[in-house]
Amino acid sequence: DAGVIQSPRHEVTEMGQEVTLRCKPISGHNSLFWYRQTMMRGLELLIYFNNNVPIDDSGMPEDRFSAKMPNASFSTLKIQPSEPRDSAVYFCASSYWYEQYFGPGTRLTVT
Amino acid sequence: KNEVEQSPQNLTAQEEEFITINCSYSVGISALHWLQQHPGGGIVSLFMLSSGKKKHGRLIATINIQEKHSSLHITASHPRDSAVYICAVNTGTASKLTFGTGTRLQVTL
Repeated sequence: DAGVIQSPRHEVTEMGQEVTLRCKPISGHNSLFWYRQTMMRGLELLIYFNNNVPIDDSGMPEDRFSAKMPNASFSTLKIQPSEPRDSAVYFCASSYWYEQYFGPGTRLTVT
Repeated sequence: KNEVEQSPQNLTAQEEEFITINCSYSVGISALHWLQQHPGGGIVSLFMLSSGKKKHGRLIATINIQEKHSSLHITASHPRDSAVYICAVNTGTASKLTFGTGTRLQVTL
């Protein structure tokens, strides 16, 4: 298996623009997680899905953030409108039981 | 107070030194994870454990459930071990992770 795939790997955008991050989990995994990592706050869980259903979105910072998982092989995290404080590395991870496998991350810079 | 605390925050060692990173948690857990992140790199799971001890090459992870404490040991450290090591726990039956703040390890020649 290719592991968890994320795209794009790097994204630079201007404040106010819409940003969409994509994730393809490992085939057969039934849980998917979106994390954000910053120097100040470390790794934070934004939202996680189990069997394509959002289970816990308490980490989503505000209504500008939304996430979807239309099927078992694809998920998106959207930020609209983006702000400079959203600059971070966004990781997607998937799991079948407790052990999580992380994607390479998307480095987002909002200017 | 964070539910997962790591120490030290930063650690510098010379090559071949024996290294210990500690993790304490304040909640009931179902599993504990040690993750590794190289500078600018992705996150790799090193160990997942719920009791006892696990070994993989030069890395050893132990956990004491009664004391709510885990340690990650690196024997014969090497500069390529330089990375951030993160402790994380699953609580209850939830598969989501709660993370420690990480330990930044620098191994010099």
